[in-house]
Amino acid sequence: EAQVTQNPRYLITVTGKKLTVTCSQNMNHEYMSWYRQDPGLGLRQIYYSMNVEVTDKGDVPEGYKVSRKEKRNFPLILESPSPNQTSLYFCASSYQDSLDEQYFGPGTRLTVT
Amino acid sequence: AQKVTQAQTEISVVEKEDVTLDCVYETRDTTYYLFWYKQPPSGELVFLIRRNSFDEQNEISGRYSWNFQKSTSSFNFTITASQVVDSAVYFCALSEAKGGSEKLVFGKGTKLTVNP
Repeated sequence: EAQVTQNPRYLITVTGKKLTVTCSQNMNHEYMSWYRQDPGLGLRQIYYSMNVEVTDKGDVPEGYKVSRKEKRNFPLILESPSPNQTSLYFCASSYQDSLDEQYFGPGTRLTVT
Repeated sequence: AQKVTQAQTEISVVEKEDVTLDCVYETRDTTYYLFWYKQPPSGELVFLIRRNSFDEQNEISGRYSWNFQKSTSSFNFTITASQVVDSAVYFCALSEAKGGSEKLVFGKGTKLTVNP
């Protein structure tokens, strides 16, 4: 089944404790992206990747890191999480770029206390 | 810079009513794509439609229809004879083709509640 998976689905952590949210797709997609969803703000793009080893900032990259060492994986790293990063996070992938239909993962609800 | 505005934060209708969700966009690019996504209460994001800037034909898919008007920079979404299952948050999004087609910008979403 073609899908985007994210882990964990739910995470509660404390300020400053490094964490990684994994994202994996099995569709051989070139483009992958991370978004955060906050009430009243919609979805905002954090980082995206056009291909392996090619990543770039979206609109809200501060406090996040990403890597794309393999085509299928695009982990989101929070080196020192803060309460303002409490949010619902979505990973997405598409065939080539942002002009294509995005396939979204199920979401990761992160709470930073 | 690209921008998407969904002015309607929440809409509530009674089943079988028609409802239109508005989407207004801003872009300096002549080539761009517009999208609508649905987020039901279960939380997943579901693709509904993609339309490129050169195709202004209206699209109909069952009870769903989309009206794209470049003159007003709008890409509105109409649900005819709404049903309870249409209750969701709907997002409009825009991606410009220039610069490698890298970013996707979403509106803030419209929460639609269809009451029985």
